[in-house]
Amino acid sequence: GENVEQHPSTLSVQEGDSAVIKCTYSDSASNYFPWYKQELGKGPQLIIDIRSNVGEKKDQRIAVTLNKTAKHFSLHITETQPEDSAVYFCAASAGAGSYQLTFGKGTKLSVIP
Amino acid sequence: GAVVSQHPSRVICKSGTSVKIECRSLDFQATTMFWYRQFPKQSLMLMATSNEGSKATYEQGVEKDKFLINHASLTLSTLTVTSAHPEDSSFYICSAAPSGTGELFFGEGSRLTVL
Repeated sequence: GENVEQHPSTLSVQEGDSAVIKCTYSDSASNYFPWYKQELGKGPQLIIDIRSNVGEKKDQRIAVTLNKTAKHFSLHITETQPEDSAVYFCAASAGAGSYQLTFGKGTKLSVIP
Repeated sequence: GAVVSQHPSRVICKSGTSVKIECRSLDFQATTMFWYRQFPKQSLMLMATSNEGSKATYEQGVEKDKFLINHASLTLSTLTVTSAHPEDSSFYICSAAPSGTGELFFGEGSRLTVL
């Protein structure tokens, strides 16, 4: 089955700096890669996703890049703000109607004012 | 994005009792919903896939008689933790996907504490 590795497990950045979280996956059949933000005591919130037919996707301060050859994808947050502090999870699935996601172990991001 | 709602958000019960958690898709129909369990500072663990009108599919190691799932309509799935014990205390989260989008949306989660 799919295995998703996520690094780092914790990340502290100064407000205004950029944050990068990286994930690798094992199943070459995976073609859908979402990122979720989870605040304390709440459910995960989809913040951005990418499919295997593109290499990069951007939404304001958030971007995701995908390297299918190397089987890794990354989340980039620019101009970080204190409200970006949360746990971020990457995930992978075979997509195309398969909604079963395999999650990474999460990254706790702390943005220091 | 699509809205998935869970109820209750928090529940405390005595050991040996049963607790029901509801998961609703508010603005779309979902033939399939998923139930996850999350321990503190850990990732989400898929427990089961809930299928409208048929039996749920449980992941390996998840007791189907303990975690009863009912998906009676296209907008509602329920998870009942039967004869709850303190080790069942956890954060339970459901998810669903609008047809054709491939995007999975999560509920707010339900914190179960068994005394």
